[in-house]
Amino acid sequence: DTGVSQDPRHKITKRGQNVTFRCDPISEHNRLYWYRQTLGQGPEFLTYFQNEAQLEKSRLLSDRFSAERPKGSFSTLEIQRTEQGDSAMYLCASSLTGISTDTQYFGPGTRLTVL
Amino acid sequence: GQQVMQIPQYQHVQEGEDFTTYCNSSTTLSNIQWYKQRPGGHPVFLIQLVKSGEVKKQKRLTFQFGEAKKNSSLHITATQTTDVGTYFCAHTQGGSEKLVFGKGMKLTVNP
Repeated sequence: DTGVSQDPRHKITKRGQNVTFRCDPISEHNRLYWYRQTLGQGPEFLTYFQNEAQLEKSRLLSDRFSAERPKGSFSTLEIQRTEQGDSAMYLCASSLTGISTDTQYFGPGTRLTVL
Repeated sequence: GQQVMQIPQYQHVQEGEDFTTYCNSSTTLSNIQWYKQRPGGHPVFLIQLVKSGEVKKQKRLTFQFGEAKKNSSLHITATQTTDVGTYFCAHTQGGSEKLVFGKGMKLTVNP
């Protein structure tokens, strides 16, 4: 499968614990995005990388959230001291820089439940 | 980013019916994209429109970008049960690559 992959697909954690999610983009895609989606809403942008550089971060990304893409390939999203409000689907997408607006391809997501 | 409004939020149709859903903005959009998310699935890219008045077709789906580039529509002909899901419109703006999504239109189809 050459699409975007995410791991784990589901994560249940207790409030206050740290969690880390991984995203593997489509190979050769230089841009990688993280979004968060709650029930009944559209995805909300969190951050994106071009290669290894983090180019934009949403105000939604509090200081408990950190994302990395150290070698410009896979990315990790860490949430420290999780809160119940962090429960959501975390979606990763990737794209290849082109002449016009990039098409973003989404992965299956990681569903986080904070108890 | 500027929010886009999708109407209706929910649509229930009988299989075989046609319907149209809309995506509206109060400001001019540089582009509009449509995604489909099946129940339990992730958003899947359908189409991107960038030109004023642009119309694109994909089998039974017709997408249109308004002349003023402030609205877009998705028309489905002869709805099938495979069309079930939530349809999102989204756009990028201001040189940013982040997508700003609407809240979606949830479609259910009665067989």
